[in-house]
Amino acid sequence: EAGVAQSPRYKIIEKRQSVAFWCNPISGHATLYWYQQILGQGPKLLIQFQNNGVVDDSQLPKDRFSAERLKGVDSTLKIQPAKLEDSAVYLCASSFQGARGGELFFGEGSRLTVL
Amino acid sequence: GDSVTQMEGPVTLSEEAFLTINCTYTATGYPSLFWYVQYPGEGLQLLLKATKADDKGSNKGFEATYRKETTSFHLEKGSVQVSDSAVYFCALSDLDSSYKLIFGSGTRLLVRP
Repeated sequence: EAGVAQSPRYKIIEKRQSVAFWCNPISGHATLYWYQQILGQGPKLLIQFQNNGVVDDSQLPKDRFSAERLKGVDSTLKIQPAKLEDSAVYLCASSFQGARGGELFFGEGSRLTVL
Repeated sequence: GDSVTQMEGPVTLSEEAFLTINCTYTATGYPSLFWYVQYPGEGLQLLLKATKADDKGSNKGFEATYRKETTSFHLEKGSVQVSDSAVYFCALSDLDSSYKLIFGSGTRLLVRP
C-alpha cells in the first residue's frame, strides 16, 4: 500500500515569496491533515479536511496560508507571502476514521527554509 | 485547553539499557493517548496507543500504560537497541479538542552501541 506522498521535500525561498506544497493521501482515507513542525517543537495542526470540507482551520494563519482539497483526494497548502517564522517542516497526514482512536499516517514532510 | 508535556531530551543510553520517557497530559475529557516515533529521514509513525484508563499499549517491545489518576502515559522499554534511536512524540486526541491530535514537543533518544 502506498503511503502519504508529499512534494517537494525541500524548498528554500526569500521572505515575501510564495510557496506551495502538495500532498496525496493514502487511497480511501477521507480525513487529511496539514501540520506545521517548527524545529524542536511537536507538530501543530494547521487544517483538517473531511473529504473536501474543512473540519478545523482554527490555527491556520489565514492572512497568508491557504489550503484546498478540491476533489476530496489530494491537497495543496500555500503560503503567500512567506515570513521568516514560517521556516518549518510541513507534514501531511491522512486517516480512515480520524484521530478519535484511529491512526494517522504521515508523509515524510516538506522542509521550508525562508531566508 | 488540552496539552501534552514530555521530558526534554536528548536521552542518551547504552544498548540494552532500560528506557523511560515521561509524558503527562492535561485534558478536560477522556482522551485517547498515543506515542508516535520519527526515525531519521522518515515520517512520523504510530508506535502504540491506549484509548481508556488502565489500558496498556505495546509494540516492538515498547509499552505505555494510561494512568488517569496521574494523567500520565510514560513510554518504557526494557532493553533498547541502536535502531531505537529516534524522536518520540506523545500525543492525545480528545472530544474537547475536536479529536485533533495534540503533540508534545518530542524527546530525542540516542542509543550508543
